[in-house]
Amino acid sequence: DAKTTQPPSMDCAEGRAANLPCNHSTISGNEYVYWYRQIHSQGPQYIIHGLKNNETNEMASLIITEDRKSSTLILPHATLRDTAVYYCIVRVAIYTGANSKLTFGKGITLSVRP
Amino acid sequence: NAGVTQTPKFRVLKTGQSMTLLCAQDMNHEYMYWYRQDPGMGLRLIHYSVGEGTTAKGEVPDGYNVSRLKKQNFLLGLESAAPSQTSVYFCAALGPADQGRYEQYFGPGTRLTVT
Repeated sequence: DAKTTQPPSMDCAEGRAANLPCNHSTISGNEYVYWYRQIHSQGPQYIIHGLKNNETNEMASLIITEDRKSSTLILPHATLRDTAVYYCIVRVAIYTGANSKLTFGKGITLSVRP
Repeated sequence: NAGVTQTPKFRVLKTGQSMTLLCAQDMNHEYMYWYRQDPGMGLRLIHYSVGEGTTAKGEVPDGYNVSRLKKQNFLLGLESAAPSQTSVYFCAALGPADQGRYEQYFGPGTRLTVT
């Protein structure tokens, strides 16, 4: 799986958009970008994933650059409950054997301030 | 539907003691995983299972054993605990989510301290 690079931390004001960057310059053509988050000491939770098109769901939006070497997770209206560690993971979408595992880096700690 | 549960939630062991962590899922998923998370770090895969009766090593398997005798349960054993195994342990189960994708569902974690 390709390696990802995320800044260690960032903060934003409650109610504002939080834009979390991720670099994945060695991503392969068959690898997806996944985002998970981990709220204080809980198990990680899936947020969103994409291949090359921008994606949106009820939790967030994912913007992937045209060359696919970086992406941004957008929380449109951050709340205090969005304070968490966010992990950007690049992996193939094959759910067999060892390919099914998730490889977590250190992630980015988002602090939402009142 | 409880999803993925872990027992116990907290445990303190002395060096050399043994214990078993239990992960249970009620979603009938085939794949299950054990991860550990050290302070300030991401999760690392210890062992995983692709079905009842099968297990395989992950990134950091040394010092741990696992068993999957029943589909719904995945046990992680420490035969002789060491302080380096102080960590938070997460179990996960992989199953279908929406729009044809699969998702790993995580349990709440077990905090283990080895003194």
